[in-house]
Amino acid sequence: NAGVTQTPKFQVLKTGQSMTLQCAQDMNHEYMSWYRQDPGMGLRLIHYSVGAGITDQGEVPNGYNVSRSTTEDFPLRLLSAAPSQTSVYFCASRTGLAATDTQYFGPGTRLTVL
Amino acid sequence: AQSVTQPDIHITVSEGASLELRCNYSYGATPYLFWYVQSPGQGLQLLLKYFSGDTLVQGIKGFEAEFKRSQSSFNLRKPSVHWSDAAEYFCAVGAMDSSYKLIFGSGTRLLVRP
Repeated sequence: NAGVTQTPKFQVLKTGQSMTLQCAQDMNHEYMSWYRQDPGMGLRLIHYSVGAGITDQGEVPNGYNVSRSTTEDFPLRLLSAAPSQTSVYFCASRTGLAATDTQYFGPGTRLTVL
Repeated sequence: AQSVTQPDIHITVSEGASLELRCNYSYGATPYLFWYVQSPGQGLQLLLKYFSGDTLVQGIKGFEAEFKRSQSSFNLRKPSVHWSDAAEYFCAVGAMDSSYKLIFGSGTRLLVRP
């Protein structure tokens, strides 16, 4: 299993540009999520999905869209990038919806918005 | 509201010395607690987790953590640090809402002196 994969690893955008961060997992996990990591703040939840066709907002959803058309893929879209979205983005999936289930993280995408 | 505090931003230890990373949580009931490690440029890897039962939890790479309800703490320990342990360590608590998210502390960066 490849686990959780993310592309690209690095990206530089100009303010106002749009882009999609890709996330895929091959573990047949129903739950997937996106976090952003900022210095001194740990990771914060952006959006999550409990299954194909179902998504919901996390703590910091503004400026981001998601969709979940398949179990495997959970892309994150930035509609109009802003410098405040400069961050490291992590995709994660978990084995189930019990609080005890383990969450697996991808390697991250480092995004810079100029 | 649930929260996690890691009071130490940086910790430096000599190789072979013992290590303790502090974590305090805020939660009324028995929390689900996790420690993750992030090596430079990598994603997060689960070290160990606590849900119930024995308050001393063993993890991977020789790490252990002790849950102390009276102190609202879940400190991570290792008896002898190796240079490869240099990384950032995150304590997290599982949110008890429908988001199934992890609430992270701000992290502690471990530096290892030769």
